[in-house]
Amino acid sequence: AQSVTQLDSHVSVSEGTPVLLRCNYSSSYSPSLFWYVQHPNKGLQLLLKYTSAATLVKGINGFEAEFKKSETSFHLTKPSAHMSDAAEYFCVVSEGTGGFKTIFGAGTRLFVKA
Amino acid sequence: EAGVAQSPRYKIIEKRQSVAFWCNPISGHATLYWYQQILGQGPKLLIQFQNNGVVDDSQLPKDRFSAERLKGVDSTLKIQPAKLEDSAVYLCASSWIFEQYFGPGTRLTVT
Repeated sequence: AQSVTQLDSHVSVSEGTPVLLRCNYSSSYSPSLFWYVQHPNKGLQLLLKYTSAATLVKGINGFEAEFKKSETSFHLTKPSAHMSDAAEYFCVVSEGTGGFKTIFGAGTRLFVKA
Repeated sequence: EAGVAQSPRYKIIEKRQSVAFWCNPISGHATLYWYQQILGQGPKLLIQFQNNGVVDDSQLPKDRFSAERLKGVDSTLKIQPAKLEDSAVYLCASSWIFEQYFGPGTRLTVT
């Protein structure tokens, strides 16, 4: 069985400071892992994906995430937050590469203060 | 490239009524997903199609929800009869290999 846990429901940072959104997962299979972002009243957009290649994954808008199998973690980071980063972020796990048994985390709301 | 299209964008119905949602995936995407996103929660997978066959419908409440994907392209999701707890955004997504591309969703309010 698979599961995904986003450890913080809300994260608040100041503009220009680093962002860390934490995600732990469990999977009986080799997982594919994703981070999606959802801006208010907009659709879900893929930030980045891990599919058993390089463990450090770079995504759009300066975000990156590191797959750590020993810690079963896939935390999302960004060196410097921008006001436009304020949104809801979802960590997602799927079995293998076919999108099977896709599970979304509960989400982390990121607030960025000026 | 056109994205995933969904209609209607908004729907308000009374409990015990029926409702249907339509999804047109990105051209060439073999896999289609329907999700339910309740306010304040992450999306929950309801059903996954590979071409016109069901791959996973383990979380679909089959006593009231049904879905089909005729000819392996468009898909419809139906709720009959609706309950108050069905109020949510219903998201359709499609994929070719890895990442899923999401439509704008249909916001359903059941009164």
